Amino acid sequence: RKEVEQDPGPFNVPEGATVAFNCTYSNSASQSFFWYRQDCRKEPKLLMSVYSSGNEDGRFTAQLNRASQYISLLIRDSKLSDSATYLCVVIEGADGLTFGKGTHLIIQP
Amino acid sequence: SQTIHQWPATLVQPVGSPLSLECTVEGTSNPNLYWYRQAAGRGLQLLFYSVGIGQISSEVPQNLSASRPQDRQFILSSKKLLLSDSGFYLCAWSDGFNTEAFFGQGTRLTVV
Repeated sequence: RKEVEQDPGPFNVPEGATVAFNCTYSNSASQSFFWYRQDCRKEPKLLMSVYSSGNEDGRFTAQLNRASQYISLLIRDSKLSDSATYLCVVIEGADGLTFGKGTHLIIQP
Repeated sequence: SQTIHQWPATLVQPVGSPLSLECTVEGTSNPNLYWYRQAAGRGLQLLFYSVGIGQISSEVPQNLSASRPQDRQFILSSKKLLLSDSGFYLCAWSDGFNTEAFFGQGTRLTVV
């Protein structure tokens, strides 16, 4: 049974702080990895892909650790607008996307 | 650019009534199409996926069905809704199985 596990949180973080959370996956054959962001009562939106070499997009950095089977998301200089649920997504070939249940992040002023 | 349209945005239906949710994709051909459901406070559950016209794979047994009458059209249906069918239904598309998916705005269904 394929599993993608995330700490549901909530993570309560002051504005301007750095926050990081991980996601573990059970299938070592997993091929592609993504982070999605979902705002309350909205659809998930792609935040960034996660490459073996890591991926940085502005304040966001994603890392992949294949040996330990986890991916991470780091947010620097957090903004109030970063408050959302962050979904980890793992692709295992023809089985398609498997979503974690998400980590709820709350940035406090 | 590719766009995905899903409607309606919200729906309140009585128990036992039929359901039809429609999703269309523009700007791409032969996409993989998906129906997900997200119950309150829970993760995304894959209900159906399709790799081509008339090709539907079901991930979980339920009283829902899906159809793909055209390349870029995906329909979710039920003959008789149950209370447990309430949730947030999301249509998504991708170029293949190893690529990211893009979601429609979702339909919030409440069965009463």
